Order: sequence, then structure tokens, then C-alpha cells
Amino acid sequence: GESVGLHLPTLSVQEGDNSIINCAYSNSASDYFIWYKQESGKGPQFIIDIRSNMDKRQGQRVTVLLNKTVKHLSLQIAATQPGDSAVYFCAENLRGTYKYIFGTGTRLKVLA
Amino acid sequence: SQTIHQWPATLVQPVGSPLSLECTVEGTSNPNLYWYRQAAGRGLQLLFYSVGIGQISSEVPQNLSASRPQDRQFILSSKKLLLSDSGFYLCAWSRGLAGGDEQYFGPGTRLTVT
Repeated sequence: GESVGLHLPTLSVQEGDNSIINCAYSNSASDYFIWYKQESGKGPQFIIDIRSNMDKRQGQRVTVLLNKTVKHLSLQIAATQPGDSAVYFCAENLRGTYKYIFGTGTRLKVLA
Repeated sequence: SQTIHQWPATLVQPVGSPLSLECTVEGTSNPNLYWYRQAAGRGLQLLFYSVGIGQISSEVPQNLSASRPQDRQFILSSKKLLLSDSGFYLCAWSRGLAGGDEQYFGPGTRLTVT
């Protein structure tokens, strides 16, 4: 299930299940998006990106979906593993700038 | 391949002391460079970014400053630290392509101001 922690929403999933992490981005002019994974005490790690001319992009065990109509981004992780436990952030690049705006993040907990 | 380094990894400094954090990138030329701060359990706040030597854009007015003395070196400084400067400082780089491109982060510096 999904719950709100002190600062970060938390998604708990059983090992082997699929995970869906959601992100609402802020600017309709953003046209490039990135998903990051951050483990405790480490810098964010690039997972996958998508441009606004696409609705879907697939990587290894991950899929990113983009719905520009409602400014929504999601990250799907197939067959979630214990090593997937981390905080996941989405980031949007503001069109015409070099700036990236980050979402608040979601903590993913994988239950054995 | 490209790598990004930050040091120190951890730092404990008293209030009012100066600060200098360093970030260097290897394996690329003329990258865009970024400084972010992350409070515990929070998202990333963009502090500064640079598109070239000597060019600094500040996003948040504060007690900090940034400099880029060399193409692949980015420094975050403060003359007098505040308690509120505590946090996890992250440096990042991108190729600076138009329309956005992949941004990669360093390992971060954990700063505690006491």
C-alpha cells in the first residue's frame, strides 16, 4: 500500500510484484524528464529519461509513461527486487533552460 | 567514460566558519555544472548552475556562493556558515544539449554545521 511518511510518501511492495511510482510535474512547458534512484547516503542515479514527443519508453525492467494532458509521469518497475529499495525522484527540464526541477520523491520499500 | 568527484565526503563545521566544497568532472569538455542541496528526507533544491568558466547562475539567494575557475571544476563556498546550511550537497553535470539531456550526480558531501 501507499502511505505518507514524515516527509516522503512510501510505497511498499512484495518482492516479485510490479511497482508503479507516480510523479506530477509542475510546468506544462517542460519537455524532458528523468527518473532517478537514490540510495541512502548516495547521490541520485540516473535510471531512464523521456522526451515530450513520446508517451512511453522502456528500459531494462523499467518503463516510464508520460501523460502530458494531466502533467503526470510514472515509473514502472517489473519484478521488484530488494535492491530496488530506495527513494525515487522525477525531474523535469524547463524548456529553453538548463534547469531541472525535482519532485519530492517516493520511498520504495520491497518486502521479502 | 565520464566520472564526477566531490570532496570531502563528510564535513562538520562550526557556525560562522568558512566553507569550500569541490567538484570535478573527468572525461568530458565544457559540461554544464550544478550544485544542489538536499535536506534530510527531502527533494533536491537547485542552488547554482554554470554553463561555462566564470559563468554562474544563482537560483536561491542565500549564504552561499559558487565559482568555476576551470572548465571541469565547480566550487561551493561560504564565508560564514549558518546552522541552516547543514545538508547533503550534490554536484551534477550534463552535456548542456538544447532541449535537456541526461544529468549525472556525484557522491555528495554531507555537511553538518554545529
